[in-house]
Amino acid sequence: KQEVTQIPAALSVPEGENLVLNCSFTDSAIYNLQWFRQDPGKGLTSLLLIQSSQREQTSGRLNASLDKSSGRSTLYIAASQPGDSATYLCAVKAAGNKLTFGGGTRVLVKP
Amino acid sequence: EPEVTQTPSHQVTQMGQEVILRCVPISNHLYFYWYRQILGQKVEFLVSFYNNEISEKSEIFDDQFSVERPDGSNFTLKIRSTKLEDSAMYFCASSPGTEYSRTEAFFGQGTRLTVV
Repeated sequence: KQEVTQIPAALSVPEGENLVLNCSFTDSAIYNLQWFRQDPGKGLTSLLLIQSSQREQTSGRLNASLDKSSGRSTLYIAASQPGDSATYLCAVKAAGNKLTFGGGTRVLVKP
Repeated sequence: EPEVTQTPSHQVTQMGQEVILRCVPISNHLYFYWYRQILGQKVEFLVSFYNNEISEKSEIFDDQFSVERPDGSNFTLKIRSTKLEDSAMYFCASSPGTEYSRTEAFFGQGTRLTVV
């Protein structure tokens, strides 16, 4: 059974610092991995999708890497801003057509 | 930009009552899903739906739950005889039809269900 873990559970950084968020999964036989942002009490906003054949995906200040063999993905957010404060979730799609989510990393960027 | 729309945003119901959560997936998407997130817990998969039938469901999705696509645009989740532990945020999602295994899932803003 696929298990997805995100460490740390919470992170607080001063504005301008780079953010590094980690995601690990137990079964490396995945189709893709998706990073989401969730604001308190709100829905899930898709940030990046990395296919299993890709090593990296970039969108603006966001960069996500994938090491499928070791079961890890990292989301980098450059030059953090207070507006980046949110919970970041990773989710993997493996057998079937469902996403398995990690518990999220709650990020606070202090002005 | 196309988006998944869910209504209502918040619903309060009495234990034992039936509720219907509604979703309008992105048009031209063919795969539809329901997930839920109990407060403080992980987002968990409930059911996926394709070609007018359930393609996969989790062990959470028991006889208390049902899904339907009553017309060309809506996708509903019905919970019969709600229990206190059904209180959660329910998310609808959709994804395009081609190479479903490789495509991005788009989520709605969620319906917060509170059972009292």
